[in-house]
Amino acid sequence: DAKTTQPNSMESNEEEPVHLPCNHSTISGTDYIHWYRQLPSQGPEYVIHGLTSNVNNRMASLAIAEDRKSSTLILHRATLRDAAVYYCILRPAGGTSYGKLTFGQGTILTVHP
Amino acid sequence: SAVISQKPSRDICQRGTSLTIQCQVDSQVTMMFWYRQQPGQSLTLIATANQGSEATYESGFVIDKFPISRPNLTFSTLTVSNMSPEDSSIYLCSVQEPSNVLTFGAGSRLTVL
Repeated sequence: DAKTTQPNSMESNEEEPVHLPCNHSTISGTDYIHWYRQLPSQGPEYVIHGLTSNVNNRMASLAIAEDRKSSTLILHRATLRDAAVYYCILRPAGGTSYGKLTFGQGTILTVHP
Repeated sequence: SAVISQKPSRDICQRGTSLTIQCQVDSQVTMMFWYRQQPGQSLTLIATANQGSEATYESGFVIDKFPISRPNLTFSTLTVSNMSPEDSSIYLCSVQEPSNVLTFGAGSRLTVL
């Protein structure tokens, strides 16, 4: 499976934007880029995903490099509730690996008041 | 999105015993997964729970240790057999939504003494 590389940790101040990077240089043409986050003492929750184009939803934006070898999750205004571990995951579009998520270590985001 | 209920939410068990974790979903889903999260670690996929057939296990996980049942499209169980302290983890059930993202339960925190 293609792997992702994320910084171990990042810090932000409340109400400031946060840019969480992810490198995935071995991504294949059919891999979707998914982001999940895990709040303390909870299961992971879906944040956003994309294939080639930038994506926006109510939680965040996903900026995907033109060569798809990296992406950035953007939280436009961080809140204390956004403190979590953020996982960048490559998900195959089909085949025997379809449906599975392979979690890396993720980025621990700390948000300061 | 689907609502997942896991029971028990936490338990403390003795070495050598077995514990069955239940996962109830409020809607019919095709694909269900069981993950393990060891202390301080990321999530690792244990198996895919297949309705009406044997589960598909990932490398390093075997049916004798982690038997899984999936009697219908809304329910699954994971048993952790002959437990040892190394089995102390959070076990999470997840389902694939029609949108192809995964929804996770809150997890079952198991401590083995």
